[in-house]
Amino acid sequence: QVQLQESGPGLVKPSQTLSLTCTVSGGSISSGGYYWSWIRQHPGKGLEWIGNIHYSGTTNYNPSLKSRVIISVDTSTNQFSLKVSSVTAADTAVYYCARRISNAFDVWGQGTLVTVSS
Amino acid sequence: SSELTQDPAVSVALGQTVRITCQGDSLRTYYPSWYQQKPGQAPVLVFYGKNSRPSGIPDRFSGSSSGNTASLTITGAQAEDEADYYCYTGDSSAKHAVFGGGTNVTVL
Repeated sequence: QVQLQESGPGLVKPSQTLSLTCTVSGGSISSGGYYWSWIRQHPGKGLEWIGNIHYSGTTNYNPSLKSRVIISVDTSTNQFSLKVSSVTAADTAVYYCARRISNAFDVWGQGTLVTVSS
Repeated sequence: SSELTQDPAVSVALGQTVRITCQGDSLRTYYPSWYQQKPGQAPVLVFYGKNSRPSGIPDRFSGSSSGNTASLTITGAQAEDEADYYCYTGDSSAKHAVFGGGTNVTVL
């Protein structure tokens, strides 16, 4: 079955860019109908949708983060990526990648903690 | 409005029934999906759409939606159902996606 795995630095300095990659295994990222998503969870808080991408390159972003977020896809490596620029301590969170189908996130990565600190 | 409101916490006696609610205007248009999250783990999809339960999810989990309110019901709650539960909704292209604030369920 499809599995997702996040990877990237666990520590980012303030004002820098947070970069994470999600590797899709057990299936093709180019399968139609799926949106590949990023979701985060601040420590002890609820879930926040960051944005998603279709393999065609179509993206949607949370309006509150749109100015600082870029999500991209690489079908040749079966990966999609997240970049969040100008990070602050408020961006410290567990970041999840997930697969979305029919208004539901049916497959999730295990999550990766990113701490913003100097 | 794109907000979804959930009660912060509910408790249920072992074997009894608990209903977790989610309110928001977007629920008048889109079906919700529901997620269970245990400490230190990623969320797990437990119910979605009008009446769909992923493979492997016990049938004690069911969902319903009417007007601006959606509900996840656990019939015969088990100790392992103790977790945080989140609702989510958005349109088909995920242009407007939002999670509820979550409900912590305690099984007594």
